[in-house]
Amino acid sequence: GQNIDQPTEMTATEGAIVQINCTYQTSGFNGLFWYQQHAGEAPTFLSYNVLDGLEEKGRFSSFLSRSKGYSYLLLKELQMKDSASYLCAVRDSNYQLIWGAGTKLIIKP
Amino acid sequence: SQTIHQWPATLVQPVGSPLSLECTVEGTSNPNLYWYRQAAGRGLQLLFYSVGIGQISSEVPQNLSASRPQDRQFILSSKKLLLSDSGFYLCAWSVPTGESSPLHFGNGTRLTVT
Repeated sequence: GQNIDQPTEMTATEGAIVQINCTYQTSGFNGLFWYQQHAGEAPTFLSYNVLDGLEEKGRFSSFLSRSKGYSYLLLKELQMKDSASYLCAVRDSNYQLIWGAGTKLIIKP
Repeated sequence: SQTIHQWPATLVQPVGSPLSLECTVEGTSNPNLYWYRQAAGRGLQLLFYSVGIGQISSEVPQNLSASRPQDRQFILSSKKLLLSDSGFYLCAWSVPTGESSPLHFGNGTRLTVT
């Protein structure tokens, strides 16, 4: 079967750095997406990786290793507004998105 | 620019009543359209997706149905709601081609079946 694993919850301090991991086992691979979802709101697109390596977008970076079936989202200079759930999703060989359950990130002052 | 509208934002319905949720997309043609459900504290479950007018693929057998009467309109329906239908319903669109194209979500409908 297809599976995506993320930690259920993480806690970090304002101003610090946090890394949210995602491991996947899917039927084929056509890219990996990270989304941010604030409580009670819809997910919003953060990043896309299809090749190995690091993609940087301001305070957020996303890394992919296809051989290891592994990705992480790195958030720097954490702000209170970064408190949200972070969803990892993989596009499989049928171009369908397989979603992880999300990681709830709690930022403390 | 493209926008997606989904309504209503919240809905409270009794068990056994019908349901109709509507979603429209503006600023793009022939989008792929999706209905997802998210139960509290859980991941996104794909319910239906559509690659064109009248073309609906169902991912999970249940008492829900979807229709796409127009290119940029997607409707989620039920004839008789169950308690288990409660959840956060999200409509989304993506461009029809390109593996890198992300999904863009509407604001969602929070449905409570009582």
